[in-house]
Amino acid sequence: AQRVTQPEKLLSVFKGAPVELKCNYSYSGSPELFWYVQYSRQRLQLLLRHISRESIKGFTADLNKGETSFHLKKPFAQEEDSAMYYCALGRGATNKLIFGTGTLLAVQP
Amino acid sequence: EPEVTQTPSHQVTQMGQEVILRCVPISNHLYFYWYRQILGQKVEFLVSFYNNEISEKSEIFDDQFSVERPDGSNFTLKIRSTKLEDSAMYFCASSEKGPRVDGYTFGSGTRLTVV
Repeated sequence: AQRVTQPEKLLSVFKGAPVELKCNYSYSGSPELFWYVQYSRQRLQLLLRHISRESIKGFTADLNKGETSFHLKKPFAQEEDSAMYYCALGRGATNKLIFGTGTLLAVQP
Repeated sequence: EPEVTQTPSHQVTQMGQEVILRCVPISNHLYFYWYRQILGQKVEFLVSFYNNEISEKSEIFDDQFSVERPDGSNFTLKIRSTKLEDSAMYFCASSEKGPRVDGYTFGSGTRLTVV
């Protein structure tokens, strides 16, 4: 079965510290993985996709097929990074998303 | 920047009543979706819509649910006879070229409370 696991409900770090938000997936095919972010009182927004291999707001994520992981990383956390982060797996002809349960990142000053 | 607009932001309804949740996708988008999030749980796919028909639906999307694009701009989700367990945040999303290419743009959601 397709599944996305985000083991941490809450991750609290200090400003300037490195951040790693964990995501593991279960999918037999070739996965398409995404990170979405939801800032307080705002809508879900696409942060990045593994296909584009981009860095957005200092965040990167590398797909590791061997470990079936797509962890989100940032070397130096900022207070404005505080938000809910969702890892998602795209599948099917319509590329519907299967979401993880989300990790709340809290960056302390 | 163009937005996906959802109305109302919050709706309270009695069990057994019909509700219609409305969405106005971005005008040049062709792919439309509904997701929901029950409080404390993950965001779940309900249905996708393309070329004026449902392209995929989840097992949650039973006969009580329907979607329509009545006038070429609005995209609605109807729940015929609401149950307490339908209480959730409902998100509409759209995509221009397909989410593999340009991802989704989500609306801000409608919080449905069934009492």
